[in-house]
Amino acid sequence: AQSVTQLGSHVSVSEGALVLLRCNYSSSVPPYLFWYVQYPNQGLQLLLKYTTGATLVKGINGFEAEFKKSETSFHLTKPSAHMSDAAEYFCAINFNKFYFGSGTKLNVKP
Amino acid sequence: ETGVTQSPTHLIKTRGQQVTLRCSSQSGHNTVSWYQQALGQGPQFIFQYYREEENGRGNFPPRFSGLQFPNYSSELNVNALELDDSALYLCASSLTSGGRGGADTQYFGPGTRLTVL
Repeated sequence: AQSVTQLGSHVSVSEGALVLLRCNYSSSVPPYLFWYVQYPNQGLQLLLKYTTGATLVKGINGFEAEFKKSETSFHLTKPSAHMSDAAEYFCAINFNKFYFGSGTKLNVKP
Repeated sequence: ETGVTQSPTHLIKTRGQQVTLRCSSQSGHNTVSWYQQALGQGPQFIFQYYREEENGRGNFPPRFSGLQFPNYSSELNVNALELDDSALYLCASSLTSGGRGGADTQYFGPGTRLTVL
C-alpha cells in the first residue's frame, strides 16, 4: 500500500534560516514523489518531483529535495527562508493515483 | 497556454441537494483527476478520467460521479449532499504518456469551495 507521512503540521522559521520539511513514504514499488505548495485560497503548485535518476532534485523558488530509499524519505529543504515562502506544503506519492500527506504549514518570522 | 480553470469559485448548498462542479483542463492534457480537500487536510483522491472513461476511483460513495468530455473538460457531480461534503474540490489535469503514468505531473486548478448547510 502507498502512503505519505509528513512530520510536523506546523513549522516556524526565521527569515534567512534553513527550511526543512519532512516527508516519509511507504510504497511497494519504486515511488514517484512530488512536493506541492498551496497558498491561501489557491490550488496546488508543483515545486519539484522525483521520478528516476539523480536523487537530489531541484525545484522552483530555491527548494530542493533528496530521495533516500534506505530511509524512505523525501525531505524538502531551502537554505534561506523568505517571507514569501509562508504557505502550506504537501508531499505526495503517485502510483496510479496521488496520495497526499496531511500537509505542513510553514510560517516565516521576520 | 491556459491553465486549469474551475467554476464556480464558491457554492453554497443545503443538505440533500445536488451539485455540479466544472473543470477545464490545461490545453493538450488528456487526463483529469478530482480531489476533495477538507479543512486542514491534504487532498483526497475522488476519481480520475482518461479519454472520457473512469480510470481509477478513491474511497468515495457512488453519489460522487463524474464525466469527461471530448474536449477533455470535466464535471464532478455530487448527489444527496451531506454536511461532511463541505470542502475545497480540486481538479487536476495531466498528459498521460502511457505505462504506469506515475511520473506525470498533475496541474491543479484553484478549486471550488463547497459549503453544505
